[in-house]
Amino acid sequence: EDQVTQSPEALRLQEGESSSLNCSYTVSGLRGLFWYRQDPGKGPEFLFTLYSAGEEKEKERLKATLTKKESFLHITAPKPEDSATYLCAVQALRYGGSQGNLIFGKGTKLSVKP
Amino acid sequence: NAGVTQTPKFRVLKTGQSMTLLCAQDMNHEYMYWYRQDPGMGLRLIHYSVGEGTTAKGEVPDGYNVSRLKKQNFLLGLESAAPSQTSVYFCASRNPGTGAFGEQYFGPGTRLTVT
Repeated sequence: EDQVTQSPEALRLQEGESSSLNCSYTVSGLRGLFWYRQDPGKGPEFLFTLYSAGEEKEKERLKATLTKKESFLHITAPKPEDSATYLCAVQALRYGGSQGNLIFGKGTKLSVKP
Repeated sequence: NAGVTQTPKFRVLKTGQSMTLLCAQDMNHEYMYWYRQDPGMGLRLIHYSVGEGTTAKGEVPDGYNVSRLKKQNFLLGLESAAPSQTSVYFCASRNPGTGAFGEQYFGPGTRLTVT
């Protein structure tokens, strides 16, 4: 069964304190792994797509990496505005790219205190 | 562009009542999706559509119906609401030819409570 597990469930950081969020996955053939950001009361917002092990993507203070079993979202020198829930999702090869069927993890709630 | 909009934002239903959630997108996207998000669970796909006039079942379709009569609109119907359908519902859309296939654009959500 395809599965996505995110850890920790919640993470509290001080402003400037770098850390990483983990997304481990079990899927029968990975088509792609995706990171989204979700602010309270809003819909998820797309951040990154990773397709193969060794791939890295960066955006401002965020850097996403991918191995054959997990992905990390590294946050460097976070600011209070980085506070949000970060969602990880995967798509299995058996789903055609047209459907975009994604399996989401439960998310990591990040709080950054000034 | 407004992006993806959802109507209504909040709704309280009694068990057995029916309602329709409306999703509209102004990005001319082919694909549209309905998800539900429950505490302690990830987003789960209810139904989706790969084009006007087409619909397909997702992971948790029971108790819901959908229609895509116009390309820009995707309707989610609850014929006889149950307390288990209390959730936050999100609509999303994407285009097959632009960006990564996982890059879905989400609406702001509809918070539904069934008593």
